[in-house]
Amino acid sequence: GESVGLHLPTLSVQEGDNSIINCAYSNSASDYFIWYKQESGKGPQFIIDIRSNMDKRQGQRVTVLLNKTVKHLSLQIAATQPGDSAVYFCAEGGRGSTLGRLYFGRGTQLTVWP
Amino acid sequence: DGGITQSPKYLFRKEGQNVTLSCEQNLNHDAMYWYRQDPGQGLRLIYYSQIVNDFQKGDIAEGYSVSREKKESFPLTVTSAQKNPTAFYLCASSIQGTDTQYFGPGTRLTVL
Repeated sequence: GESVGLHLPTLSVQEGDNSIINCAYSNSASDYFIWYKQESGKGPQFIIDIRSNMDKRQGQRVTVLLNKTVKHLSLQIAATQPGDSAVYFCAEGGRGSTLGRLYFGRGTQLTVWP
Repeated sequence: DGGITQSPKYLFRKEGQNVTLSCEQNLNHDAMYWYRQDPGQGLRLIYYSQIVNDFQKGDIAEGYSVSREKKESFPLTVTSAQKNPTAFYLCASSIQGTDTQYFGPGTRLTVL
């Protein structure tokens, strides 16, 4: 089946630094990508998404970069804060007859140190 | 959690019992989804429904059943046939034809 994976299962950063969370996807037909943040014991929260016709999309303190050539996705968080500590998931979707389905990676645990 | 509610937050069940998890949304979304999450793992799709009175199996449907009688409700029954039901269950919804899914707060099911 399809797989969406993450290069690093854990990431620790100092408060105020920038964070970069990486994600590799396997299906070149995927045309929609999304990042979620999940705090302990809670449901995933939408952060930002991007379609395959874009390379970059910015939100508030977050930027998603998409490199279709190497099938790589990254989430950049500027000026990381303790409240950013959570597990971050990427997911891919938008494939033909499975429209609406998302395929999730295992997640990266981000820890922000004061 | 954006208009999606799941109840109860914690649920305990004895082996051999069926249990039903509730998921309700007031977002007027057509599509709804059930996922299972195990510790340190990503989300695995159990069932999904893109329209009322229709649903499809996901990747791990065995031992689960669903119904979609109303647009706003998508209950999940964990049957006694599910061999390892202890997990965190997440419900999501999306506008049909789009991909952004919004999640509820989850139900943690523990089998005693």
